[in-house]
Amino acid sequence: QQPVQSPQAVILREGEDAVINCSSSKALYSVHWYRQKHGEAPVFLMILLKGGEQKGHDKISASFNEKKQQSSLYLTASQLSYSGTYFCGTEGGGGYNKLIFGAGTRLAVHP
Amino acid sequence: EAGVAQSPRYKIIEKRQSVAFWCNPISGHATLYWYQQILGQGPKLLIQFQNNGVVDDSQLPKDRFSAERLKGVDSTLKIQPAKLEDSAVYLCASSPGSRGEQYFGPGTRLTVT
Repeated sequence: QQPVQSPQAVILREGEDAVINCSSSKALYSVHWYRQKHGEAPVFLMILLKGGEQKGHDKISASFNEKKQQSSLYLTASQLSYSGTYFCGTEGGGGYNKLIFGAGTRLAVHP
Repeated sequence: EAGVAQSPRYKIIEKRQSVAFWCNPISGHATLYWYQQILGQGPKLLIQFQNNGVVDDSQLPKDRFSAERLKGVDSTLKIQPAKLEDSAVYLCASSPGSRGEQYFGPGTRLTVT
């Protein structure tokens, strides 16, 4: 039931791109993406709702393929501040915003 | 706008002792969540309140964990008695309604020895 995130870890140089994937075995209503820096609380990035939309926030964007029950997070021209652990949280419906989080993808951006 | 407040930030207790955590959500947020985050894992939902009613506590170990949200605002999470495997960060989050972005507090890091 927990969504599967891949890869588990990524190391980038500043300016490089990365894609983080989130896959569920169940039908999804929405997918949330959060970033957590070491010792801090998770911070919301974006929500994607059923409908296959793509969203963007600065140089971070995401897509949601409800038929495949998958979402991808795209990080372009990465900055040092992008370092952290990225979690997807999946919602299966029911109206209560109950999220099941993946195990996370650790991203390290180096100069 | 003030964020989600939690206290204490750190707590060390011995196994079989009891402990309580406090959370004050963002003003006006109807939904409050308690998560357990074990090192290296994603947050796991323990309990979710809509105003002062419980909407999901399916993953709350009810033999030792309890939570309440008085008057639909502040909330406390209690563990009694604690076990070694309860060592984790306990995160509180809130959201304006039953859907949408969740705002997380700084968490309470619990160590059970």
